[in-house]
Amino acid sequence: GAGVSQSPSNKVTEKGKDVELRCDPISGHTALYWYRQRLGQGLEFLIYFQGNSAPDKSGLPSDRFSAERTGESVSTLTIQRTQQEDSAVYLCASSLRGSSGADTQYFGPGTRLTVL
Amino acid sequence: GENVEQHPSTLSVQEGDSAVIKCTYSDSASNYFPWYKQELGKRPQLIIDIRSNVGEKKDQRIAVTLNKTAKHFSLHITETQPEDSAVYFCAATYGNNRLAFGKGNQVVVIP
Repeated sequence: GAGVSQSPSNKVTEKGKDVELRCDPISGHTALYWYRQRLGQGLEFLIYFQGNSAPDKSGLPSDRFSAERTGESVSTLTIQRTQQEDSAVYLCASSLRGSSGADTQYFGPGTRLTVL
Repeated sequence: GENVEQHPSTLSVQEGDSAVIKCTYSDSASNYFPWYKQELGKRPQLIIDIRSNVGEKKDQRIAVTLNKTAKHFSLHITETQPEDSAVYFCAATYGNNRLAFGKGNQVVVIP
């Protein structure tokens, strides 16, 4: 079946503008995660959604970052007043259950964000 | 939070030789340890994982070992091939199925 998809694949924006990134998880996956990957670096956890529970926002770096998820489907990550240090690849992942502590996460292709 | 250390950061091996990447973790409650392979410009792909109730798992040329007492786990790639060249990330669960990732290991297989 279809994997995790993300859009846009690339986004170039000017400093100070807002951006919205979209993630479509694998159908039936109740858990959804957002990560940030700076050039040559590892994956930095941002936020986690599990079913109808309150999201785990503990990884969001500042209040300029927010995310929403509609039910158990699409999620959007919004970055307000973008800064140059926000430039990175933003990766979304989904997993089937998310609450067992041992659940495979499947990644989307990422959105490469460049802030000029 | 969980801290996952991964080393070495870069590893070069001759084609046909073995490659070993080691990771350590800090949270003794971690119970799931996946390994992801990321080729340049592509998404991370799961290549193997291990759960805390076993000490070793093998899938063809790839194996993972887990030492819960010492809190470390290792990825072993045997008979390396040029297509094994990539960045490999280890990860460990903590909290409610959150994954903490290591910083990655660049493996270069020299033909």
